Amino acid sequence: AQTVTQSQPEMSVQEAETVTLSCTYDTSESDYYLFWYKQPPSRQMILVIRQEAYKQQNATENRFSVNFQKAAKSFSLKISDSQLGDAAMYFCAYRSDIRDDKIIFGKGTRLHILP
Amino acid sequence: DSGVTQTPKHLITATGQRVTLRCSPRSGDLSVYWYQQSLDQGLQFLIQYYNGEERAKGNILERFSAQQFPDLHSELNLSSLELGDSALYFCASSVERGSPLHFGNGTRLTVT
Repeated sequence: AQTVTQSQPEMSVQEAETVTLSCTYDTSESDYYLFWYKQPPSRQMILVIRQEAYKQQNATENRFSVNFQKAAKSFSLKISDSQLGDAAMYFCAYRSDIRDDKIIFGKGTRLHILP
Repeated sequence: DSGVTQTPKHLITATGQRVTLRCSPRSGDLSVYWYQQSLDQGLQFLIQYYNGEERAKGNILERFSAQQFPDLHSELNLSSLELGDSALYFCASSVERGSPLHFGNGTRLTVT
């Protein structure tokens, strides 16, 4: 069965600095999708970034980028120039390309931004 | 705005009662997912519907049930409520395999 592990329950970063959130996953499938979601204090779930496993190029969205290492089954999120509004819980998620119902979330990493 | 609408936003009820949470997916999305999130916890998958049919079940209690109607909106019914059912309940929708889930703003249920 697929699993998603976020090994850092909490992290802190100084405003304007760069931080990397870790995510590893386990799967025997070759085609799948990976996502990072942000949940700010309002508790909305906001999609941050998406990565297709068949693409070698790392996805980027403005200050957010990923380091996708398929062989290592690693999918980390890098936030550059951290801003106070980035403070949130971040969830990594895996979606199977074979089974539509297989969407697995990690337990989350709470990110604090220090002014 | 994700395009997914959940009502009500807040619900306060007593133990033993029954409530219905409603979700309208994004236009064109056939899949609806329900998740439960207790305070400071991760997302617990409850159930998925695709075009009116139940597709997958997660850790959904027998006291909970759901359905998806022909117009694709979905309802989650929670009965014989217990204090431990207090949580944020999310609905999410998706258009196709591989696409991200788009979440509603959730319904915050408080059982007293």
